Amino acid sequence: DADVTQTPRNRITKTGKRIMLECSQTKGHDRMYWYRQDPGLGLRLIYYSFDVKDINKGEISDGYSVSRQAQAKFSLSLESAIPNQTALYFCATSEGARTSYEQYFGPGTRLTVT
Amino acid sequence: GQNIDQPTEMTATEGAIVQINCTYQTSGFNGLFWYQQHAGEAPTFLSYNVLDGLEEKGRFSSFLSRSKGYSYLLLKELQMKDSASYLCAVRDRAGGYQKVTFGTGTKLQVIP
Repeated sequence: DADVTQTPRNRITKTGKRIMLECSQTKGHDRMYWYRQDPGLGLRLIYYSFDVKDINKGEISDGYSVSRQAQAKFSLSLESAIPNQTALYFCATSEGARTSYEQYFGPGTRLTVT
Repeated sequence: GQNIDQPTEMTATEGAIVQINCTYQTSGFNGLFWYQQHAGEAPTFLSYNVLDGLEEKGRFSSFLSRSKGYSYLLLKELQMKDSASYLCAVRDRAGGYQKVTFGTGTKLQVIP
């Protein structure tokens, strides 16, 4: 089984709809992240959480919210989706103790807002 | 903030060697990562450098010069499966947190 899972894997929604993307991990990591990836712009950080009670905005948090329901679960919500939120969304995890820790990415959710 | 630059695309021949460069500007450098990402898939970790010098791991090596704000990823004995995007990512200290910023990636095409 995959260590970091994301649901759904693909989603098409309409402008103005609320949508939630979910991420679960079995790696036991404290730190979790949400990124979006757009052609030519690379991976951009939306929100990150270093433990259940610690949530922080990334560089592009406007229009998004998150919830850290447990150590293993971190969900991303779009309260009112708009077309420029069409992107590939990745969840990632990492350990907290070592500075050399790499991030482990989920398989991604391809979101299309029409 | 950070500024990370890497070439957008590169092409190389199967069996050859290719070097992918990354330059960065950051006020609180604390490590540089290289990730590989095949089209439509998740990025996967390749290497980490925090001190100057070369780190070798099989066919892949990564070099860092902190004084020059420069890193490269060296891929030897290229295989067709190495066709992918290669992402340079820099960690720095920001407000007490260690944040990682990704470059836009270099798309490598390996041709026969």
